[in-house]
Amino acid sequence: AQSVAQPEDQVNVAEGNPLTVKCTYSVSGNPYLFWYVQYPNRGLQFLLKYITGDNLVKGSYGFEAEFNKSQTSFHLKKPSALVSDSALYFCAVRASGGSYIPTFGRGTSLIVHP
Amino acid sequence: DTGVSQDPRHKITKRGQNVTFRCDPISEHNRLYWYRQTLGQGPEFLTYFQNEAQLEKSRLLSDRFSAERPKGSFSTLEIQRTEQGDSAMYLCASSFGDGPNEKLFFGSGTQLSVL
Repeated sequence: AQSVAQPEDQVNVAEGNPLTVKCTYSVSGNPYLFWYVQYPNRGLQFLLKYITGDNLVKGSYGFEAEFNKSQTSFHLKKPSALVSDSALYFCAVRASGGSYIPTFGRGTSLIVHP
Repeated sequence: DTGVSQDPRHKITKRGQNVTFRCDPISEHNRLYWYRQTLGQGPEFLTYFQNEAQLEKSRLLSDRFSAERPKGSFSTLEIQRTEQGDSAMYLCASSFGDGPNEKLFFGSGTQLSVL
């Protein structure tokens, strides 16, 4: 079985400050890890993924995520938050040797204050 | 690339009625997924197609739910004898490729309200 935990329902950060959205996972074998973003009244959009290689992955809109195998985590980060980053963020995982079906976390609402 | 299209955007129905949703994936994508999302939750997997073959179906999926993908193109999701608990956003996604090219493209969803 594969699962994702996003321990924070909501993250609040001031514009210009760094942000972190947390994700931990459980999977048999090596993970493929993903972050998706959902803006109000929009569909989910892919942000970035970790497949293998460098533990620090860079994605769209200045976001990056760090894969930590020992802590089974894949936290999403951005050095300087923008008000326009306010959205729902979903972490997802699937086993690298398994089916192509990712399991999603419950999501974290990011609110960036001006 | 026109993206993943879902129709209708909204559906209001009475309990006990049947409803059908349509998804048109990105044309070259061989994988198609249906997920369900309720308020405050992440997408919950329903079923998965590779080309026209339905390869996986969630154990949580009631017998009232059925999905098809004829000829490996568009897909339909039908819910028979709807219940109030079926009220949710139904999401379709498609993908193609593996490893570095792997990512899901989502449609805007069909919001179902069962009265």
